[in-house]
Amino acid sequence: DQQVKQNSPSLSVQEGRISILNCDYTNSMFDYFLWYKKYPAEGPTFLISISSIKDKNEDGRFTVFLNKSAKHLSLHIVPSQPGDSAVYFCAARPTGNQFYFGTGTSLTVIP
Amino acid sequence: GAGVSQSPSNKVTEKGKDVELRCDPISGHTALYWYRQRLGQGLEFLIYFQGNSAPDKSGLPSDRFSAERTGESVSTLTIQRTQQEDSAVYLCASSLAPVITYGYTFGSGTRLTVV
Repeated sequence: DQQVKQNSPSLSVQEGRISILNCDYTNSMFDYFLWYKKYPAEGPTFLISISSIKDKNEDGRFTVFLNKSAKHLSLHIVPSQPGDSAVYFCAARPTGNQFYFGTGTSLTVIP
Repeated sequence: GAGVSQSPSNKVTEKGKDVELRCDPISGHTALYWYRQRLGQGLEFLIYFQGNSAPDKSGLPSDRFSAERTGESVSTLTIQRTQQEDSAVYLCASSLAPVITYGYTFGSGTRLTVV
């Protein structure tokens, strides 16, 4: 039972434009959300997080939005760069230690 | 070391054999996690160690899977009598504290192929 869903397996965006990666979750008890970025043959690396008490968190070109009523979060990358091409995972956690991960969205930024 | 180190990076084994995967966490990180990613699926939690507390084994898929950690250092994940459905990338992660604020640091993973 996939509690965190990334329904778009892939996304292509032109360099300089906005990339929007989406994530939906089913468990209303999730209180903390993360986005990870993964390059081939490397482990995922932490990108940005958001707590359920917030609806937006921004870090440079990366912004995460959380819509609790819709159980939806999104990652915006503006402007997109070719080096952003990677697989992006969202992850969510109920109170406790274990994060539930989505299946990932492969982003390709076209120069 | 500077990061989380996993070995081997690739392992091909015959069905029915036992395998042992190793993880060296970042020095000083008290929390250690094992996840796996099967083809086309998200990261699946397996087990969590925090200091000397009893590990959270709730994610282990069967009794063929076990893991150990000595203190706050190396961890090994053992899969006995491997099956083809065990084929996956096994990822180890560590963090400074059990309650994650800044996320885990992952290793590069061990790609296990059971033939």
